[in-house]
Amino acid sequence: DTGVSQNPRHKITKRGQNVTFRCDPISEHNRLYWYRQTLGQGPEFLTYFQNEAQLEKSRLLSDRFSAERPKGSFSTLEIQRTEQGDSAMYLCASSLAWGEETQYFGPGTRLLVL
Amino acid sequence: DQQVKQNSPSLSVQEGRISILNCDYTNSMFDYFLWYKKYPAEGPTFLISISSIKDKNEDGRFTVFLNKSAKHLSLHIVPSQPGDSAVYFCAASARNTPLVFGKGTRLSVIA
Repeated sequence: DTGVSQNPRHKITKRGQNVTFRCDPISEHNRLYWYRQTLGQGPEFLTYFQNEAQLEKSRLLSDRFSAERPKGSFSTLEIQRTEQGDSAMYLCASSLAWGEETQYFGPGTRLLVL
Repeated sequence: DQQVKQNSPSLSVQEGRISILNCDYTNSMFDYFLWYKKYPAEGPTFLISISSIKDKNEDGRFTVFLNKSAKHLSLHIVPSQPGDSAVYFCAASARNTPLVFGKGTRLSVIA
């Protein structure tokens, strides 16, 4: 199975620490998206890449958040100086840039900030 | 302002009967609609999609209907099975833009 993978699956950290999550998309997909989901809500868009270019950022993405996709393959999402409000499920999805627009999601990384 | 609304937080259906999940949207630029199924502690799993040029798409037990004039879509599951119990999310996009999700409907299929 060559679906979207995310690591780690779970992360517990103390407030003020930095955390980094990784996403490996489906290999032929050139678009990669990050979403965040909190309890009782649907996933909310954070940012997306086409190949290595970051094309859009949501206003939800404060300056403590940074995402990279250096070679157009895997992506990392870093949160600096974590706050309790950052506790959420962080989801990664990938899709083809042309034709089929369906986004396929990974299993997510659940972050708990104490 | 929620652009995609799922007004029923939960739905209970007997096994073997039809489940109908509804979704309304406000943005007339949306041209692609998807349904995802989500189990606890997992990512959303793609179920079925529909382009705005169609009004129906069917895949096995799952059928999605789109009514553009009413800005409404629905997902029909026939027959419902206990394994269908999950949270279902409606999502929409406008030409390769990020997805906008509803808040989800929790479906419980009772044996």
